[in-house]
Amino acid sequence: DSGVTQTPKHLITATGQRVTLRCSPRSGDLSVYWYQQSLDQGLQFLIQYYNGEERAKGNILERFSAQQFPDLHSELNLSSLELGDSALYFCASSVAGLAVGQETQYFGPGTRLLVL
Amino acid sequence: GENVEQHPSTLSVQEGDSAVIKCTYSDSASNYFPWYKQELGKGPQLIIDIRSNVGEKKDQRIAVTLNKTAKHFSLHITETQPEDSAVYFCAASKSYNTDKLIFGTGTRLQVFP
Repeated sequence: DSGVTQTPKHLITATGQRVTLRCSPRSGDLSVYWYQQSLDQGLQFLIQYYNGEERAKGNILERFSAQQFPDLHSELNLSSLELGDSALYFCASSVAGLAVGQETQYFGPGTRLLVL
Repeated sequence: GENVEQHPSTLSVQEGDSAVIKCTYSDSASNYFPWYKQELGKGPQLIIDIRSNVGEKKDQRIAVTLNKTAKHFSLHITETQPEDSAVYFCAASKSYNTDKLIFGTGTRLQVFP
């Protein structure tokens, strides 16, 4: 158990719908990262937050957005869903400090999204 | 752009043999290289990592080597066991404390008893 929790574990929805994925980082971790894992694209970085502020953006579609709340949990919102958005969505967290070991990103169990 | 290539995509070994997975990164500014193991239905789990100021790191049966000049890094697993069977991902990052990870495409390792 990494200490990172994600809900829900599975999500089935229809095209055009909107869903929200939730992530709680490990206690003490300030940084949250979202990754998408699909069969054809592998593990792709979407977005990073650090202590409530957006730090970096990767291959995140405009239909997708995220935020990190004052209690450091994060939500990834996916809207106008398409069949191709079906994938595993992982959240990771890290301390993001300078000491050795604080760079480690710990991954949650993921949310499996199926768009029908 | 940033890219990490990983080979082989699948690897089958007999229990007790060694397994080697190789990665090449494109961004010379990369300085942190973790390896993750992903079992079916689970999230990636860090098994070992190396920073660019170190050439080799070992943890029991697992070792990682880094050649900064060639921009190569490799994972070595000795005395493989059936429970080592999983998908292994290499990754690279430009700033070891805060940056995103660029992942390789994964290697499915199967260890036969």
